[in-house]
Amino acid sequence: DVVMTQSPLSLPVTLGQPASISCRSSQSLVYSDGNTYLNWFQQRPGQSPRRLIYKVSNRDSGVPDRFSGSGSGTDFTLKISRVEAEDVGVYYCMQGTHWPPITFGQGTRLEIK
Amino acid sequence: EVQLVESGGGLVQPGGSLRLSCAASGFTFSSYWMSWVRQAPGKGLEWVANIKQDGSEKYYVDSVKGRFTISRDNAKNSLYLQMNSLRAEDTAVYYCARDQLYLGGDYWGQGTLVTVSS
Repeated sequence: DVVMTQSPLSLPVTLGQPASISCRSSQSLVYSDGNTYLNWFQQRPGQSPRRLIYKVSNRDSGVPDRFSGSGSGTDFTLKISRVEAEDVGVYYCMQGTHWPPITFGQGTRLEIK
Repeated sequence: EVQLVESGGGLVQPGGSLRLSCAASGFTFSSYWMSWVRQAPGKGLEWVANIKQDGSEKYYVDSVKGRFTISRDNAKNSLYLQMNSLRAEDTAVYYCARDQLYLGGDYWGQGTLVTVSS
């Protein structure tokens, strides 16, 4: 199974400052069709998960442009350019290249400093 | 508007059974893979199982193989998870999600809590 490792696990950030979350996979996430199926999810306190980004860097509809994804192969990053109060929650990376099983990272808890 | 509403959770003893349901609306249910994802209290997300549009393909995480069965009824726009031989470690909120396969779930339900305890 592909292991997804996120860092940091806890991320205190000052409002208006940038934030960055790293996600590394135990093997390359490049699929045979040339796509890289690395996706990011946000889970706000008390809510269901919500997908933010799919295929490394594509924002879902309604996701603010302060969220961006990048990376390739085994190393990926989710960046928030200026953190807002509504961004508090846990962020998960997820790989859909080598399944089953689909696997998630452990989660990164973003809090306001 | 896409809606997914889970039901069927509750308290069950170890070794017992439970059947979860997910009622879908607002999209053509029969056109999408569907998934179950769970989250143990205070823990992260764990994919449990998914099922193809016509039910011909089903996949499971190893820890539930042989105990859980995913199914669907396209005529009723419903997804199911039959859970047998339940263990304490199956305690979690179970979410159903519209599955874009390699891209993960683009819509999620609110979840239903399953507690396995004596």
